[in-house]
Amino acid sequence: SQQGEEDPQALSIQEGENATMNCSYKTSINNLQWYRQNSGRGLVHLILIRSNEREKHSGRLRVTLDTSKKSSSLLITASRAADTASYFCATDERNNRLAFGKGNQVVVIP
Amino acid sequence: DAGITQSPRHKVTETGTPVTLRCHQTENHRYMYWYRQDPGHGLRLIHYSYGVKDTDKGEVSDGYSVSRSKTEDFLLTLESATSSQTSVYFCAMRQDSTGELFFGEGSRLTVL
Repeated sequence: SQQGEEDPQALSIQEGENATMNCSYKTSINNLQWYRQNSGRGLVHLILIRSNEREKHSGRLRVTLDTSKKSSSLLITASRAADTASYFCATDERNNRLAFGKGNQVVVIP
Repeated sequence: DAGITQSPRHKVTETGTPVTLRCHQTENHRYMYWYRQDPGHGLRLIHYSYGVKDTDKGEVSDGYSVSRSKTEDFLLTLESATSSQTSVYFCAMRQDSTGELFFGEGSRLTVL
Protein backbone atom coordinates (compact mmCIF):
# COMPACT_ATOMS: atom_id res chain seq x y z
CA SER A 1 0.00 0.00 0.00
CA GLN A 2 1.13 3.52 -0.55
CA GLN A 3 2.60 5.57 2.23
CA GLY A 4 3.13 9.20 2.81
CA GLU A 5 6.77 10.06 3.14
CA GLU A 6 7.70 12.92 5.40
CA ASP A 7 10.62 15.23 4.82
CA PRO A 8 12.80 16.19 6.61
CA GLN A 9 12.99 13.13 8.82
CA ALA A 10 14.30 15.12 11.76
CA LEU A 11 14.18 18.80 12.58
CA SER A 12 15.68 20.75 15.43
CA ILE A 13 14.62 24.38 15.94
CA GLN A 14 14.65 27.12 18.54
CA GLU A 15 11.51 27.99 20.44
CA GLY A 16 9.60 30.70 18.62
CA GLU A 17 10.75 29.64 15.16
CA ASN A 18 8.50 28.08 12.57
CA ALA A 19 8.73 24.40 11.72
CA THR A 20 7.85 23.13 8.27
CA MET A 21 7.65 19.53 7.20
CA ASN A 22 6.58 17.97 3.95
CA CYS A 23 4.81 14.81 2.95
CA SER A 24 4.70 13.15 -0.45
CA TYR A 25 2.43 10.35 -1.55
CA LYS A 26 1.90 8.24 -4.61
CA THR A 27 -1.74 7.67 -5.52
CA SER A 28 -5.09 9.40 -5.47
CA ILE A 29 -6.42 10.21 -2.07
CA ASN A 30 -9.68 11.12 -0.42
CA ASN A 31 -7.98 13.20 2.23
CA LEU A 32 -4.66 13.64 3.99
CA GLN A 33 -4.27 13.84 7.74
CA TRP A 34 -1.52 14.89 10.10
CA TYR A 35 -0.94 13.32 13.50
CA ARG A 36 1.38 14.04 16.40
CA GLN A 37 2.94 11.49 18.71
CA ASN A 38 4.59 12.38 21.96
CA SER A 39 7.20 9.96 23.22
CA GLY A 40 5.64 6.78 24.53
CA ARG A 41 2.10 7.82 23.68
CA GLY A 42 -0.49 7.11 21.03
CA LEU A 43 -0.97 9.29 17.98
CA VAL A 44 -3.21 12.32 18.21
CA HIS A 45 -5.07 13.75 15.24
CA LEU A 46 -4.08 17.30 14.34
CA ILE A 47 -5.76 18.26 11.11
CA LEU A 48 -7.44 16.80 8.04
CA ILE A 49 -7.41 18.31 4.57
CA ARG A 50 -9.67 16.99 1.85
CA SER A 51 -8.54 16.40 -1.71
CA ASN A 52 -10.55 19.37 -2.96
CA GLU A 53 -8.99 21.75 -0.43
CA ARG A 54 -5.69 23.56 -0.89
CA GLU A 55 -5.04 25.05 2.52
CA LYS A 56 -6.35 24.68 6.02
CA HIS A 57 -5.61 26.33 9.35
CA SER A 58 -6.06 25.22 12.91
CA GLY A 59 -4.57 27.42 15.60
CA ARG A 60 -0.81 27.57 14.97
CA LEU A 61 -1.03 24.86 12.32
CA ARG A 62 -1.23 25.46 8.61
CA VAL A 63 -1.56 22.61 6.16
CA THR A 64 -1.36 22.80 2.39
CA LEU A 65 -2.18 20.18 -0.17
CA ASP A 66 -1.06 20.06 -3.78
CA THR A 67 -2.75 17.11 -5.45
CA SER A 68 -0.98 17.75 -8.76
CA LYS A 69 2.37 17.22 -7.03
CA LYS A 70 0.98 14.70 -4.59
CA SER A 71 2.43 16.56 -1.67
CA SER A 72 1.40 18.28 1.53
CA SER A 73 3.14 20.52 4.02
CA LEU A 74 2.58 21.15 7.71
CA LEU A 75 3.68 24.45 9.19
CA ILE A 76 3.82 25.00 12.93
CA THR A 77 4.20 28.68 13.69
CA ALA A 78 5.83 30.15 16.79
CA SER A 79 6.95 26.75 18.03
CA ARG A 80 6.97 25.86 21.70
CA ALA A 81 8.90 23.27 23.66
CA ALA A 82 5.63 21.34 23.99
CA ASP A 83 5.60 20.89 20.21
CA THR A 84 8.52 18.48 20.54
CA ALA A 85 7.10 15.26 19.10
CA SER A 86 6.99 13.07 16.04
CA TYR A 87 4.66 14.14 13.27
CA PHE A 88 3.08 11.76 10.80
CA CYS A 89 1.16 12.30 7.63
CA ALA A 90 -1.45 9.73 6.68
CA THR A 91 -3.27 9.29 3.42
CA ASP A 92 -6.83 8.09 3.17
CA GLU A 93 -6.79 5.88 0.11
CA ARG A 94 -10.56 5.88 -0.42
CA ASN A 95 -10.82 2.43 1.12
CA ASN A 96 -11.29 3.47 4.74
CA ARG A 97 -7.68 2.68 5.52
CA LEU A 98 -5.06 5.23 6.46
CA ALA A 99 -1.49 4.66 5.29
CA PHE A 100 1.07 6.37 7.51
CA GLY A 101 4.48 7.70 6.70
CA LYS A 102 7.55 6.97 8.78
CA GLY A 103 7.27 10.15 10.76
CA ASN A 104 9.21 13.33 11.28
CA GLN A 105 10.88 14.00 14.61
CA VAL A 106 10.75 17.63 15.69
CA VAL A 107 12.75 18.94 18.63
CA VAL A 108 12.03 22.44 19.87
CA ILE A 109 14.84 23.84 21.97
CA PRO A 110 13.73 26.21 24.74
CA ASP B 1 -8.59 10.30 26.47
CA ALA B 2 -11.26 7.77 27.28
CA GLY B 3 -13.02 6.17 24.38
CA ILE B 4 -10.42 3.62 23.39
CA THR B 5 -8.24 1.49 25.62
CA GLN B 6 -5.73 -1.27 25.05
CA SER B 7 -4.67 -4.14 27.27
CA PRO B 8 -2.19 -5.22 28.30
CA ARG B 9 -0.01 -2.13 28.00
CA HIS B 10 3.18 -4.15 28.41
CA LYS B 11 3.87 -7.82 27.89
CA VAL B 12 6.97 -9.97 27.78
CA THR B 13 6.57 -13.45 26.38
CA GLU B 14 8.61 -16.26 24.94
CA THR B 15 8.91 -17.40 21.35
CA GLY B 16 6.18 -19.83 20.40
CA THR B 17 3.61 -18.75 22.94
CA PRO B 18 0.21 -17.33 21.95
CA VAL B 19 -0.54 -13.71 22.73
CA THR B 20 -3.79 -11.77 22.56
CA LEU B 21 -4.02 -8.01 22.68
CA ARG B 22 -7.35 -6.39 23.36
CA CYS B 23 -8.75 -3.13 22.12
CA HIS B 24 -11.93 -1.73 23.63
CA GLN B 25 -13.91 1.30 22.46
CA THR B 26 -16.91 3.00 23.98
CA GLU B 27 -17.85 5.13 20.95
CA ASN B 28 -19.72 2.58 18.84
CA HIS B 29 -17.52 3.30 15.81
CA ARG B 30 -17.72 0.87 12.95
CA TYR B 31 -14.06 0.83 11.85
CA MET B 32 -11.21 -0.34 14.04
CA TYR B 33 -7.56 -0.94 13.18
CA TRP B 34 -4.45 -2.62 14.48
CA TYR B 35 -1.08 -1.11 13.59
CA ARG B 36 2.43 -1.94 14.63
CA GLN B 37 5.12 0.68 15.06
CA ASP B 38 8.78 -0.10 14.59
CA PRO B 39 11.80 2.19 14.26
CA GLY B 40 12.40 3.11 10.64
CA HIS B 41 9.03 1.79 9.51
CA GLY B 42 6.48 4.15 10.97
CA LEU B 43 3.05 2.63 11.45
CA ARG B 44 2.08 -0.38 9.41
CA LEU B 45 -1.44 -1.74 9.20
CA ILE B 46 -1.88 -5.32 10.39
CA HIS B 47 -5.64 -5.89 10.18
CA TYR B 48 -8.74 -3.81 10.30
CA SER B 49 -12.44 -4.31 10.89
CA TYR B 50 -15.44 -2.65 9.32
CA GLY B 51 -18.06 -4.22 11.54
CA VAL B 52 -18.87 -7.17 13.74
CA LYS B 53 -17.31 -10.27 12.22
CA ASP B 54 -16.08 -8.21 9.24
CA THR B 55 -12.29 -7.98 9.06
CA ASP B 56 -9.64 -7.64 6.40
CA LYS B 57 -5.88 -7.86 6.10
CA GLY B 58 -3.47 -4.99 6.08
CA GLU B 59 0.05 -4.85 4.72
CA VAL B 60 1.74 -6.94 7.45
CA SER B 61 -0.89 -9.49 8.40
CA ASP B 62 1.22 -12.68 8.31
CA GLY B 63 1.41 -14.29 11.75
CA TYR B 64 -1.57 -12.33 13.07
CA SER B 65 -5.27 -12.97 13.32
CA VAL B 66 -8.09 -10.78 14.57
CA SER B 67 -11.61 -11.16 15.82
CA ARG B 68 -14.49 -8.79 16.36
CA SER B 69 -17.46 -10.45 18.01
CA LYS B 70 -18.79 -7.19 19.46
CA THR B 71 -18.65 -3.63 18.16
CA GLU B 72 -16.65 -2.49 21.14
CA ASP B 73 -13.91 -5.13 21.12
CA PHE B 74 -11.23 -5.87 18.55
CA LEU B 75 -8.76 -8.59 19.45
CA LEU B 76 -5.35 -9.15 17.88
CA THR B 77 -3.86 -12.63 18.29
CA LEU B 78 -0.36 -13.86 17.66
CA GLU B 79 -0.86 -17.61 17.46
CA SER B 80 2.83 -18.38 17.99
CA ALA B 81 4.87 -15.31 18.81
CA THR B 82 8.23 -14.75 17.14
CA SER B 83 11.00 -12.29 17.96
CA SER B 84 10.17 -10.33 14.80
CA GLN B 85 6.82 -9.50 16.37
CA THR B 86 8.49 -7.54 19.14
CA SER B 87 6.94 -4.14 18.60
CA VAL B 88 4.57 -1.52 19.88
CA TYR B 89 1.01 -2.24 18.81
CA PHE B 90 -1.57 0.48 18.41
CA CYS B 91 -5.29 0.11 18.10
CA ALA B 92 -7.36 2.86 16.54
CA MET B 93 -10.99 3.61 15.85
CA ARG B 94 -12.28 5.74 13.01
CA GLN B 95 -14.79 8.47 13.55
CA ASP B 96 -17.45 7.80 10.93
CA SER B 97 -18.33 11.42 10.21
CA THR B 98 -14.82 12.83 9.79
CA GLY B 99 -12.57 9.89 8.97
CA GLU B 100 -10.03 10.77 11.63
CA LEU B 101 -8.55 8.06 13.80
CA PHE B 102 -8.39 7.97 17.56
CA PHE B 103 -5.58 5.86 18.95
CA GLY B 104 -5.09 3.86 22.08
CA GLU B 105 -1.97 4.32 24.16
CA GLY B 106 -0.22 1.32 22.70
CA SER B 107 0.79 -2.15 23.84
CA ARG B 108 4.51 -2.83 24.04
CA LEU B 109 5.20 -6.50 23.30
CA THR B 110 8.58 -8.13 23.76
CA VAL B 111 9.10 -11.65 22.45
CA LEU B 112 12.21 -13.30 23.87
